Amino acid sequence: EAGVTQFPSHSVIEKGQTVTLRCDPISGHDNLYWYRRVMGKEIKFLLHFVKESKQDESGMPNNRFLAERTGGTYSTLKVQPAELEDSGVYFCASSQLLAGVGEQFFGPGTRLTVL
Amino acid sequence: QQQVKQSPQSLIVQKGGISIINCAYENTAFDYFPWYQQFPGKGPALLIAIRPDVSEKKEGRFTISFNKSAKQFSLHIMDSQPGDSATYFCAASMLTSNTGKLIFGQGTTLQVKP
Repeated sequence: EAGVTQFPSHSVIEKGQTVTLRCDPISGHDNLYWYRRVMGKEIKFLLHFVKESKQDESGMPNNRFLAERTGGTYSTLKVQPAELEDSGVYFCASSQLLAGVGEQFFGPGTRLTVL
Repeated sequence: QQQVKQSPQSLIVQKGGISIINCAYENTAFDYFPWYQQFPGKGPALLIAIRPDVSEKKEGRFTISFNKSAKQFSLHIMDSQPGDSATYFCAASMLTSNTGKLIFGQGTTLQVKP
């Protein structure tokens, strides 16, 4: 069974540019999460989809970040325009069940560097 | 405000030794405490988890100790091996919430020397 995949694995962009990150969850997983780890700090929750609906977007930093999950399958996270503080590793995770009982499976992450 | 605090930031242990990583939390509504293990270039993977109705859970060489009154929990790796070298994250979640979001600690980089 394929795990959670993320694309690209690395992205280097300049301040002010736009970047779109993609996540493909494990097939059949209704729950999809985005997290971010800024260098040396904790992994922080960004948002949670249940199928195509945003269940919790309390962790989104600001309106430069836009997440979508069309058709309840893959998800994209767009940053527009990117700022220096957006640099970090963006993880996507998926799970079959809710609320911690269902294990969250993480992708390898996308390392974003904003210059 | 960081809701889950993890220490130490880094740890070096000799092969065969015991690795201990500690976490403390603030929110008493947390009721699920997983530990994740991350190898370079990979995403975090669930290692072991505990709920607050037990004080200890053991899976092979990995043990979680949980102290509800102190709001602390720790990971013990017995007979540490070089293959255990990785970054470890503790986390907390609320099973009663309508989202399974995880609140992570800052991570501990463990190096086990041969």
